[in-house]
Amino acid sequence: DAKTTQPPSMDCAEGRAANLPCNHSTISGNEYVYWYRQIHSQGPQYIIHGLKNNETNEMASLIITEDRKSSTLILPHATLRDTAVYYCIVRVATVRRDDKIIFGKGTRLHILP
Amino acid sequence: GAVVSQHPSWVICKSGTSVKIECRSLDFQATTMFWYRQFPKQSLMLMATSNEGSKATYEQGVEKDKFLINHASLTLSTLTVTSAHPEDSSFYICEAGATYEQYFGPGTRLTVT
Repeated sequence: DAKTTQPPSMDCAEGRAANLPCNHSTISGNEYVYWYRQIHSQGPQYIIHGLKNNETNEMASLIITEDRKSSTLILPHATLRDTAVYYCIVRVATVRRDDKIIFGKGTRLHILP
Repeated sequence: GAVVSQHPSWVICKSGTSVKIECRSLDFQATTMFWYRQFPKQSLMLMATSNEGSKATYEQGVEKDKFLINHASLTLSTLTVTSAHPEDSSFYICEAGATYEQYFGPGTRLTVT
């Protein structure tokens, strides 16, 4: 089973901030929170990741609660091109064969014009 | 970020034939390759994990004799779907990983008629 839960879908008006929540209450101490998005018929695109501090890059911001049991991905000014399925997963930073990555069902974000 | 390519991007084959999908890491050496399968409107499901030069580890329910994975070099992994059937029609995605980095390929759409 996936270690994360996300709402199945969300709507956001174009130009507004899109806030996508994720629960990961069983996250381990060495696991990071990663966010990806997938536009129809494409491979997942990396957005951002973090361990415990808030992170920001050119695409988004990631807010992780102090207890690390949940996080929120923020797209500051959503555009129509941000319409996609967003996946929140937890994984260790070092890529190892025995670290299984399980994707949940993600959140389907609809940006409304 | 690094680039991972897949070839072909889409393929149509007849039932009973075999299809090979290539995954290449173009500008870094991938010590680990992950192969996923995604059915319509579903999430990514991990099929197998392989380290360069060793046998792949398959997830439960994935037939290793049907889905042959070769990871002969640090830049190339192949997935061969043998004796393909219509139920094997899916979107196949690879992910290439090194110690602190991992990138998804763009995916290959397989349709078996």
